[in-house]
Amino acid sequence: SQQGEEDPQALSIQEGENATMNCSYKTSINNLQWYRQNSGRGLVHLILIRSNEREKHSGRLRVTLDTSKKSSSLLITASRAADTASYFCATDARGNNRLAFGKGNQVVVIP
Amino acid sequence: NAGVMQNPRHLVRRRGQEARLRCSPMKGHSHVYWYRQLPEEGLKFMVYLQKENIIDESGMPKERFSAEFPKEGPSILRIQQVVRGDSAAYFCASSPGTPNQPQHFGDGTRLSIL
Repeated sequence: SQQGEEDPQALSIQEGENATMNCSYKTSINNLQWYRQNSGRGLVHLILIRSNEREKHSGRLRVTLDTSKKSSSLLITASRAADTASYFCATDARGNNRLAFGKGNQVVVIP
Repeated sequence: NAGVMQNPRHLVRRRGQEARLRCSPMKGHSHVYWYRQLPEEGLKFMVYLQKENIIDESGMPKERFSAEFPKEGPSILRIQQVVRGDSAAYFCASSPGTPNQPQHFGDGTRLSIL
């Protein structure tokens, strides 16, 4: 079944630096979504990018999608300590709302 | 709070008991999803429900697990005769059901089996 795979698995950066995470998947998709999870909490939706879109922005977040390479990246600019969390990509293969999640990226932003 | 509400937040059961996890979707959402998360891993899809209807249960274990979303009241994920391997965080999400819409998640139920 479809599954996103994030790279790198863990990232530690200084406050103010940018953080980039990548996600790859195996089959065609309808859309790809990025979520954030703080320890002990549920997932918070960040950005949804459709298969016919190549880039999307939301505040300090930038997501790209390359369907030819079956990959996506999430860039967090000017990181803050509050950005410390795990970040997951999830794919919706058939537009049926069944999401397949990757294992997640743990990001630590050091103040 | 109009978000997705899950209860209980923590549930402890002994092997062989039943676990019932409840989920109330976000206001206006008629579609509910259940996911399971093991430590250090991503979420695994279990089941997708609409009111009084199971749309996709392909991620549910064949035995001991069942889910419902009645006309009135919350969605229930039921695990019968729990085993140690059922220990995990169970998350519920909801959406309007239309394509290309994000899912909104609750804070999960952490199930521990003694």
